[in-house]
Formats: sequence, C-alpha cells, structure tokens
Amino acid sequence: DIQLTQSPSFLSASVGDRVTITCRASQDISSYFAWYQQEPGKAPKLLIYAASTLQSGVPSRFSGSGSGTEFTLTISSLQPEDFATYYCQQLNSYPLTFGGGTKVEIK
Amino acid sequence: QVQLQESGPGLVKPSGTLSLTCAVSGGSISSNNWWSWIRQPPGKGLEWIGEISDPETTIYNPSLQSRVSISIDKFKNQFSLNLNSVTAADTAVYYCARKRKGDSRSADYWGQGTQVTVSS
Repeated sequence: DIQLTQSPSFLSASVGDRVTITCRASQDISSYFAWYQQEPGKAPKLLIYAASTLQSGVPSRFSGSGSGTEFTLTISSLQPEDFATYYCQQLNSYPLTFGGGTKVEIK
Repeated sequence: QVQLQESGPGLVKPSGTLSLTCAVSGGSISSNNWWSWIRQPPGKGLEWIGEISDPETTIYNPSLQSRVSISIDKFKNQFSLNLNSVTAADTAVYYCARKRKGDSRSADYWGQGTQVTVSS
C-alpha cells in the first residue's frame, strides 16, 4: 500500500495567514492526487484534483502543487470558513489511501 | 447536480452484517464513474473501503476484502455495501461517493454520511 504522510497534523493560524500543508507519498504517484476539506460533522469536500487543478466552485485562495512523491496545499489568505481538517488522497494505485489529516485551528 | 444519500441500520450486532445503500439522484449510476464507499471511525481519518463501476467491476481494500461486497442496482439507481462479521472496530461514519475516472480521478460528490455502531 502507498503510505501518505501529512504534515503538520495540527496547525494554529490567524485569519489572513498564508498556510501550507504537505503530503509525502511512499512511492511515485504521478499527479493522481487530491485534497479534501472536512468540516466537523460533515462529509469531505473536494478542493484540488490532479495535484493542482482547482475543483469548480472552490475559492482561488486554495492552490495545490507537486508531483511524484511530494505535494503541497496552500491557502493564500486564511478565512474563517477555512478552519477545518484537510486530507490528501492518492488515486494512482489500489488500495486508495488517505493521509492522516491536518487540523487547522484558530490561533 | 448529483446527490448521494446513504441509508441503513444505525446499529448492528457484533458478528452480524452491516448493510447500507446509497441512492444516487441527478445523474445515472451507469455513467462512466466509480461509485465508492469510504468510512471514518470516531475521531479518526478516512479509510477507503472499495468501489464499483457499471457493469459490476468491483475493487476492494485488501484489509476488508474477505468481508466486503459492493453491488449496483441500475433500475433503482443505487449501490450497496455489505460488510459481514462486524466487530466494534467497524463502528464508523460510512460515506458513499462518486469517483471520476481518468486524469481527473477524485471523489467529487459525497453523501452526508451515516453513523453505524456495532454493539450488542
């Protein structure tokens, strides 16, 4: 199985901050990679697919980059509604796997 | 707008079978997508269970493969999950999702999730 290591697991930030979350894969997964946002008690929401393509309707302050084994999600200016948990997922090979999550909280 | 809705018992006895259904609206289950099940134990991360694509190609997580089956009902436009020999470790929120194929592969539509507790 491909392991995804997300860091940090917890992040405290203020509104307006630039935030970066990293996900490292245990082997090359090309660009078959996605980022999701999950608010408490809700289903995950797709933010980024193909490592860097913004899903329709997602604000442009979210961006993704990377390929191979290292990927990054950046929020350029954190908004109150962005405080949530973020998960990465590899879709290159089965079984599909998720990272452990990054919880973004208000400082 | 595609919508997915999970349904099924919220409580299952140990050693019993967990059965859930995901009703799809706003789109056809025969479209060129995968239909997935994902679960999330309380306070933990996401685990991919498996998926199905019409006409009934299935792929399962090896960690659950001996206990899981996913099927599709084209006439009712829904798909189902069966997980047998359940234990407390199977207690989780279960989500169904649509996963796109090809270069844009990703789970773009999700159900709201349904809590399943395994307890006597």
